[in-house]
Amino acid sequence: DTGVSQDPRHKITKRGQNVTFRCDPISEHNRLYWYRQTLGQGPEFLTYFQNEAQLEKSRLLSDRFSAERPKGSFSTLEIQRTEQGDSAMYLCASSIGRDIQYFGAGTRLSVL
Amino acid sequence: KNEVEQSPQNLTAQEGEFITINCSYSVGISALHWLQQHPGGGIVSLFMLSSGKKKHGRLIATINIQEKHSSLHITASHPRDSAVYICAVKVTETSGSRLTFGEGTQLTVNP
Repeated sequence: DTGVSQDPRHKITKRGQNVTFRCDPISEHNRLYWYRQTLGQGPEFLTYFQNEAQLEKSRLLSDRFSAERPKGSFSTLEIQRTEQGDSAMYLCASSIGRDIQYFGAGTRLSVL
Repeated sequence: KNEVEQSPQNLTAQEGEFITINCSYSVGISALHWLQQHPGGGIVSLFMLSSGKKKHGRLIATINIQEKHSSLHITASHPRDSAVYICAVKVTETSGSRLTFGEGTQLTVNP
């Protein structure tokens, strides 16, 4: 499978714990995006990378959130000290430049 | 008011019907996407367009830049078309390629 893959698919955690999600983009795609989607809503932009550089971050990305793409390939999104409001689907997408974005299946986070 | 508005929010159709989902936006854009999301979360990009019309199989997407409006049409609808359809735009004032999404239209096609 050469699509965008995300791991894990589901994560259940207790409030206050740290979680980390991984996204592997399509191999030749230089841009990688993170979005968050809560139930019944459309996705919201969190951040994006061009190669290893994080070029834009949303105001939604509080200090508890950090994203990396160290070698310009896979990316990780870490949430520290999780809160119940962090419960959502976290979506990753990749693209070649400004071309069409291809989405992964998402990681569903439940904070208890 | 959201920058991207979709209508209707929910749509139920009978198999074979012609379906239209509308998207209006209030900002300048460089491109508009139509996306399909099935239960479980996976999103598939259907179209990216900046002008005119695109067709793929039974799906047709149109955009009118002057009116800031786009439509997604499904001809001869089928129960497997049941999904959430999301309109998303690339806003020209923002850097990079971030997408701003509508809230989606839940389509149910009954056999």
